[in-house]
Amino acid sequence: EAQVTQNPRYLITVTGKKLTVTCSQNMNHEYMSWYRQDPGLGLRQIYYSMNVEVTDKGDVPEGYKVSRKEKRNFPLILESPSPNQTSLYFCASSPPQRPNTDTQYFGPGTRLTVL
Amino acid sequence: KQEVTQIPAALSVPEGENLVLNCSFTDSAIYNLQWFRQDPGKGLTSLLLIQSSQREQTSGRLNASLDKSSGRSTLYIAASQPGDSATYLCAVRPYNTDKLIFGTGTRLQVFP
Repeated sequence: EAQVTQNPRYLITVTGKKLTVTCSQNMNHEYMSWYRQDPGLGLRQIYYSMNVEVTDKGDVPEGYKVSRKEKRNFPLILESPSPNQTSLYFCASSPPQRPNTDTQYFGPGTRLTVL
Repeated sequence: KQEVTQIPAALSVPEGENLVLNCSFTDSAIYNLQWFRQDPGKGLTSLLLIQSSQREQTSGRLNASLDKSSGRSTLYIAASQPGDSATYLCAVRPYNTDKLIFGTGTRLQVFP
């Protein structure tokens, strides 16, 4: 089944404790992206990657890192999480660039709480 | 800066009603507009994608329209069912970017 998977689905942690949220897709998509969703603010892009070893900042990159060593994986790293990073996180992927027609496929989300 | 607004924020209707969800955006320079469905605890599912050159798209009981010049889109749901209860998000893909700009969504509840 074609899908985007994220792990963990739920995470409660404490301020300053480094964590990684994994994202994997099995559709051979070049493009991958991370969003966070907050009440009243909608989804906002954190980082994106056009292909292996190519990453760039989105609208809210502060406090996050990403890597793209393999095509299928795009982990999100919080080196020193803070309470304002408590949010619902989504990973997404899409096929090679056909901007008029390509949709993005979303993972199930990771709910992160930073105490 | 592109901004996407959805009205209403929440909607509760009885089963069987036809309903319209609204989405507006501030910059017409877009590749496409998409409507997504989000169920609690789950990710986003793409419902309809309208290319910038198109006026509407249909899928089953869903019909989405796009008026790029006025910066508006509507999602029409015919004969609503309790299973349609979810949050509906619209998103635009601006020119020269690979990201989507989302609205804050309309939370729909259809009661029997």
